[in-house]
Amino acid sequence: AQSVSQHNHHVILSEAASLELGCNYSYGGTVNLFWYVQYPGQHLQLLLKYFSGDPLVKGIKGFEAEFIKSKFSFNLRKPSVQWSDTAEYFCAVGGGYQKVTFGIGTKLQVIP
Amino acid sequence: EAGVTQSPTHLIKTRGQQATLRCSPISGHTSVYWYQQALGLGLQFLLWYDEGEERNRGNFPPRFSGRQFPNYSSELNVNALELEDSALYLCASRLVNEQFFGPGTRLTVL
Repeated sequence: AQSVSQHNHHVILSEAASLELGCNYSYGGTVNLFWYVQYPGQHLQLLLKYFSGDPLVKGIKGFEAEFIKSKFSFNLRKPSVQWSDTAEYFCAVGGGYQKVTFGIGTKLQVIP
Repeated sequence: EAGVTQSPTHLIKTRGQQATLRCSPISGHTSVYWYQQALGLGLQFLLWYDEGEERNRGNFPPRFSGRQFPNYSSELNVNALELEDSALYLCASRLVNEQFFGPGTRLTVL
């Protein structure tokens, strides 16, 4: 069975601080990995995805994530956060012809 | 291109009633997924429909059911509503390996 673990449920950062959100997964097949973001009052939207190839994936709004197969990890990073990054972030595994399993989410609050 | 649409935006019901939620996928997408986003529980997979058939379901009781119509739109039905069914219900449609989400229906059970 596939599962996703997000280490931090609530993160508070000051603007310009660096961000790293941890994500570990368990999955028995070819892995598709995602980070989704849900801004207050908005749709869940895709930040970035990894299917294959370069394990360092760049997404929208300056976010990136690194797939480390040996650690079963797919951590999300951003060098300098902005107030507008305040949102809930979900790591997910699966997709394609399978269901997507989401982590419990990390609420990021960026203080101006 | 229009995104995934869901209706209604909000739905208020009382315990024991039935709720029907609707989803229209992006044009050309044949798969529809339903998720429940309850407070503190993240997103839980509910149901997956493809080409009119139920392909997979999550760990939810049988009173959660649904269907997919020939135009690929979908309905989620929740019977005998309980207080803990209060949540945001998200629908997603799939293109290849990526799912696109709708805005959700906020169901409140009183």
